[in-house]
Amino acid sequence: KAGVTQTPRYLIKTRGQQVTLSCSPISGHRSVSWYQQTPGQGLQFLFEYFSETQRNKGNFPGRFSGRQFSNSRSEMNVSTLELGDSALYLCASSLAPGLDTEAFFGQGTRLTVV
Amino acid sequence: AQTVTQSQPEMSVQEAETVTLSCTYDTSESDYYLFWYKQPPSRQMILVIRQEAYKQQNATENRFSVNFQKAAKSFSLKISDSQLGDAAMYFCAYRSPGGRGAQKLVFGQGTRLTINP
Repeated sequence: KAGVTQTPRYLIKTRGQQVTLSCSPISGHRSVSWYQQTPGQGLQFLFEYFSETQRNKGNFPGRFSGRQFSNSRSEMNVSTLELGDSALYLCASSLAPGLDTEAFFGQGTRLTVV
Repeated sequence: AQTVTQSQPEMSVQEAETVTLSCTYDTSESDYYLFWYKQPPSRQMILVIRQEAYKQQNATENRFSVNFQKAAKSFSLKISDSQLGDAAMYFCAYRSPGGRGAQKLVFGQGTRLTINP
């Protein structure tokens, strides 16, 4: 069974640009969550999607957005990139919210903003 | 809002010995889940062990066990017979019960564990 797949693994962007990261959950998983990991702030929750709907959102500016497709794959987008957006972005998938299930993480996308 | 605190930024242990990583949390909820995740240099977060708050019995998974003290809001991880492969960043995490922002994990700052051969 394939795990959570995040693409690309590494990305370098320039300030002001926008970026789109992709996450393919484990087959059969319908819930996808995104986290930002930085040395200073640690791991912070960005948002959660289920059935193409955003269920929960963390405390991030509107430049951070996401969506989920009918096949449960999810994308997150960051517009007008800032140096502080440099981070490891982790995606986690689980069967569905409301169930006693664990979250499985992908290997992350390392975003560097220069 | 829930918070998770790991007071040990770094820990080291000799191979084959036992080490305990500390975690405290703050919540007003009575039912919740607690987790320990391991993040090796490959960066992938791997679930080590989980504990349901309604269960009084401490969870164990092979060489990994927890000491869950609900009243004290403490959740420590004990690693017995430490192995070189245990070297990683360890994160303590909290999750509310299902149905209310169910999959949101609140993480501590992490403890970097080094295993000395």
